[in-house]
Amino acid sequence: AQSVTQLDSQVPVFEEAPVELRCNYSSSVSVYLFWYVQYPNQGLQLLLKYLSGSTLVKGINGFEAEFNKSQTSFHLRKPSVHISDTAEYFCAVSYNQGGKLIFGQGTELSVKP
Amino acid sequence: GAVVSQHPSWVICKSGTSVKIECRSLDFQATTMFWYRQFPKQSLMLMATSNEGSKATYEQGVEKDKFLINHASLTLSTLTVTSAHPEDSSFYICSARDGQGLQDFYGYTFGSGTRLTVV
Repeated sequence: AQSVTQLDSQVPVFEEAPVELRCNYSSSVSVYLFWYVQYPNQGLQLLLKYLSGSTLVKGINGFEAEFNKSQTSFHLRKPSVHISDTAEYFCAVSYNQGGKLIFGQGTELSVKP
Repeated sequence: GAVVSQHPSWVICKSGTSVKIECRSLDFQATTMFWYRQFPKQSLMLMATSNEGSKATYEQGVEKDKFLINHASLTLSTLTVTSAHPEDSSFYICSARDGQGLQDFYGYTFGSGTRLTVV
């Protein structure tokens, strides 16, 4: 079945520390991968996406992610987090162009001073 | 960038009444709209996909007679929760896809969400 798994429901981290939020997806011939951030009572904002090409994708707010086909992963990383990065992060996948997005369970990133 | 305006941002209604939520694409034509439901501390669950001018496609387990979706124009889609009950209380989010590629390629733009509370 097509699915996305975010391995960590909560990730606490201190300010200025690096962070990695993990995401694995069920394998398919073609995949389109996304990371979104959601602040309380708000919609989703796109951080970055992988459609094709370079496996290292850079997004907004200093985030980046690496597409690893052999491990079916798309982990999100940031070298130094800020308090303002505290939010819910969702990994999502689409298995065809323009098709519906399947979301992971979400990871709550909590940045502490 | 592309913007999807969703209204209202929150609504409280009495049990048994109907509530309409609107999503408008402000600077692009949304040929496809997706409607999601999100419970507290949970992920987004796709409810239905609507294409302009045609009937919505509902996900398994979603009552189409209860959650009426209308996508009559390329810039407006509505979700009506009919005969709402407390268990319908949730956060509803729409997402629009640009069918003409005028915005960021393969972009999905999300509305800001609607917090529905049925009392």
